[in-house]
Amino acid sequence: ETGVTQTPRHLVMGMTNKKSLKCEQHLGHNAMYWYKQSAKKPLELMFVYNFKEQTENNSVPSRFSPECPNSSHLFLHLHTLQPEDSALYLCASSQEGERVSGEQYFGPGTRLTVT
Amino acid sequence: GQNIDQPTEMTATEGAIVQINCTYQTSGFNGLFWYQQHAGEAPTFLSYNVLDGLEEKGRFSSFLSRSKGYSYLLLKELQMKDSASYLCAVLDSNYQLIWGAGTKLIIKP
Repeated sequence: ETGVTQTPRHLVMGMTNKKSLKCEQHLGHNAMYWYKQSAKKPLELMFVYNFKEQTENNSVPSRFSPECPNSSHLFLHLHTLQPEDSALYLCASSQEGERVSGEQYFGPGTRLTVT
Repeated sequence: GQNIDQPTEMTATEGAIVQINCTYQTSGFNGLFWYQQHAGEAPTFLSYNVLDGLEEKGRFSSFLSRSKGYSYLLLKELQMKDSASYLCAVLDSNYQLIWGAGTKLIIKP
């Protein structure tokens, strides 16, 4: 495997379900990100793990919870989602020093549909 | 607030040239990025500008004017495979990436 991988690629879940999205990066990077991409809207940064420190967007609902067990793996745990959470969820990674470089490598995304 | 504007959709002809504009209003500036995203695929890095001027990379060029808060991506000798969305993003004073909504480019034969 190379680059950034995400599983599953497609997910349909009911509002009462609990599921997890998985991301793995094979680039030796030290920062990982979760983004939400909705049609015709800017990428929305949800969570950042940089040097194991988590930074989150305060507008992200608590029904989304991230987990980063090591620098190569990132999870997004989902529970009691709403239909408006249906979107493409993208994982990205980058190699960062003291400051963010901005050049990120993205996975193919998980297309999530909440019914 | 911080804002990045780019056209929603553009159409161009195979073999032609197209310019995709991006204007930004951000709290500080530490560089501007262009990413390409084919339908159903991951965004991929195209270019990075931090100083004023034109950066050329093969058929693609990116221009920046910091005083005008303006950038453009120029695509020459268009090919059908260039049909994609092009995302503009700015690194602000907090080194946070601020993203535009993307420009969907449709190439016609």
